[in-house]
Amino acid sequence: EAQVTQNPRYLITVTGKKLTVTCSQNMNHEYMSWYRQDPGLGLRQIYYSMNVEVTDKGDVPEGYKVSRKEKRNFPLILESPSPNQTSLYFCASRGQGLGGGYTFGSGTRLTVV
Amino acid sequence: GENVEQHPSTLSVQEGDSAVIKCTYSDSASNYFPWYKQELGKRPQLIIDIRSNVGEKKDQRIAVTLNKTAKHFSLHITETQPEDSAVYFCAADTGFQKLVFGTGTRLLVSP
Repeated sequence: EAQVTQNPRYLITVTGKKLTVTCSQNMNHEYMSWYRQDPGLGLRQIYYSMNVEVTDKGDVPEGYKVSRKEKRNFPLILESPSPNQTSLYFCASRGQGLGGGYTFGSGTRLTVV
Repeated sequence: GENVEQHPSTLSVQEGDSAVIKCTYSDSASNYFPWYKQELGKRPQLIIDIRSNVGEKKDQRIAVTLNKTAKHFSLHITETQPEDSAVYFCAADTGFQKLVFGTGTRLLVSP
């Protein structure tokens, strides 16, 4: 089954404790992206990647890191999480070509206390 | 950069009525406009999309229209059903992977 898999689904952590949210897709998609979703703000892009070793900032990159060492994986790293990073996070992927919608993962609900 | 505005933020209709959600975008280079439906606790799912060389697209009870001159696009749902209740997001893509979303419309269809 074609899918984007995120882990974990839920995470509660403390301020300053480094964490990684994993994302993997099995569709051989070139493009991958991370979004955060907050009430009233919609989905905002954090980082995106156009292929292996090619990443760029989205609209809200501060406090986040990403890497794309393999085509299928695109982990999101929070080096020193803060409470304002409490949010619902979605990883998404799509293939090349004109337009084409993103396929989203199931989401990771992160709480930083 | 691209900015997408979406209205209304909430929309309540009776079952069988039509619902219309409107979005405007700012970047004339945007060329792809998807719509996503997000049910409570679920991931956003693509329901319909339109490219800039097309003015209208239909898929059963759902249609999207695009006015490039005015930089706005709309989602039309006819004969609404309770299972259409969800949050709907529009988005605009300039082609550089910066898919920018609107803030969402919560649609409630009452039986």
